[in-house]
Amino acid sequence: DSGVTQTPKHLITATGQRVTLRCSPRSGDLSVYWYQQSLDQGLQFLIQYYNGEERAKGNILERFSAQQFPDLHSELNLSSLELGDSALYFCASSETSGWGGELFFGEGSRLTVL
Amino acid sequence: AQTVTQSQPEMSVQEAETVTLSCTYDTSESDYYLFWYKQPPSRQMILVIRQEAYKQQNATENRFSVNFQKAAKSFSLKISDSQLGDAAMYFCAWSNTGNQFYFGTGTSLTVIP
Repeated sequence: DSGVTQTPKHLITATGQRVTLRCSPRSGDLSVYWYQQSLDQGLQFLIQYYNGEERAKGNILERFSAQQFPDLHSELNLSSLELGDSALYFCASSETSGWGGELFFGEGSRLTVL
Repeated sequence: AQTVTQSQPEMSVQEAETVTLSCTYDTSESDYYLFWYKQPPSRQMILVIRQEAYKQQNATENRFSVNFQKAAKSFSLKISDSQLGDAAMYFCAWSNTGNQFYFGTGTSLTVIP
């Protein structure tokens, strides 16, 4: 158990809909990352937050948004969903003791868009 | 742009044998970390090994070791005495001083009994 909690584990929805994925980082971790893993692809970096502030942005679509709340949990909002958004979405948190720490991953949220 | 390349989509190894997974990366930064993560069928990402770029000595963790060639920007993972439980997708990753992580596309490792 990595200590990172993601909900829901599975989600099936229709095109055009909006969903929210939730992530609770490890206790004490201030950084939260979101990654998208599509079939036969690696992990695509979406966005990083540190202590509530956006730290870095990757290949995140404009239809997607995220935020980190004061209690450090994070939510990834996906709107106007398309078939191609079907993927495994990972949340990860990192150690707060400087850089070079490993990422601790949640079990992922499997999104299926029909 | 930072890129991480894993040129072997699939690899296989006989149980108890040794296998090496390749990874190259591109960066202009001098300080960074390199990682190998394992993703078994359970899909949970697990850290296998970590290497600090300023350390010339290659990292080792039990049966796992790396061959880090900084000038060539190469970071390969060697798995010795392969076990059935080593079967997984392996991802190479790079992180900078801002703790931004970039991953390769992965290598699927099959262990043959």
